[in-house]
Amino acid sequence: GENVEQHPSTLSVQEGDSAVIKCTYSDSASNYFPWYKQELGKRPQLIIDIRSNVGEKKDQRIAVTLNKTAKHFSLHITETQPEDSAVYFCATNTDKLIFGTGTRLQVFP
Amino acid sequence: EPEVTQTPSHQVTQMGQEVILRCVPISNHLYFYWYRQILGQKVEFLVSFYNNEISEKSEIFDDQFSVERPDGSNFTLKIRSTKLEDSAMYFCASSEAFADQETQYFGPGTRLLVL
Repeated sequence: GENVEQHPSTLSVQEGDSAVIKCTYSDSASNYFPWYKQELGKRPQLIIDIRSNVGEKKDQRIAVTLNKTAKHFSLHITETQPEDSAVYFCATNTDKLIFGTGTRLQVFP
Repeated sequence: EPEVTQTPSHQVTQMGQEVILRCVPISNHLYFYWYRQILGQKVEFLVSFYNNEISEKSEIFDDQFSVERPDGSNFTLKIRSTKLEDSAMYFCASSEAFADQETQYFGPGTRLLVL
């Protein structure tokens, strides 16, 4: 079955710095790659997604890149703010979501 | 903006008891899912459901689990005889279509504690 690996497991940055989270997947049939943000005790919230027909997508301070050949995709957050602190999950969707193991991002003021 | 809702938000039960977790998917969505998240771990797929039948289930979804769409709005997950290891957050999700590029929207979750 599909396997999604995510790194790093924890990431601490200073406010204003950039944060990058990377994921690799195994199923070459995967065509949709969402990223979810989960605050403590809350539901996963979709923050950005990318489909396999594009290599990059940006939404304000958040961007995602996809390399289908290498089977990896990354989340980039620029100008981080304390409210970006949360656990971030990458996922692939081949009719069900397969999540990565999560990255706990802490942004220090 | 329409949202997936779930009840109860918290459930405490004794081992061996049956629990029913309830979800109301977004109204025009046709595909429904249950996921679980053990504390501190990743979200794991349990089951997908469409047209009143299970589309796919994971190895976690054994004979103790069942799902049902009892009416036009609710979608339920039943655990027949709860075990300690069933303690987790259970999320319902729904999507408009069943495709590998379809966004799934999550409910707020039910935190289940089995004692």
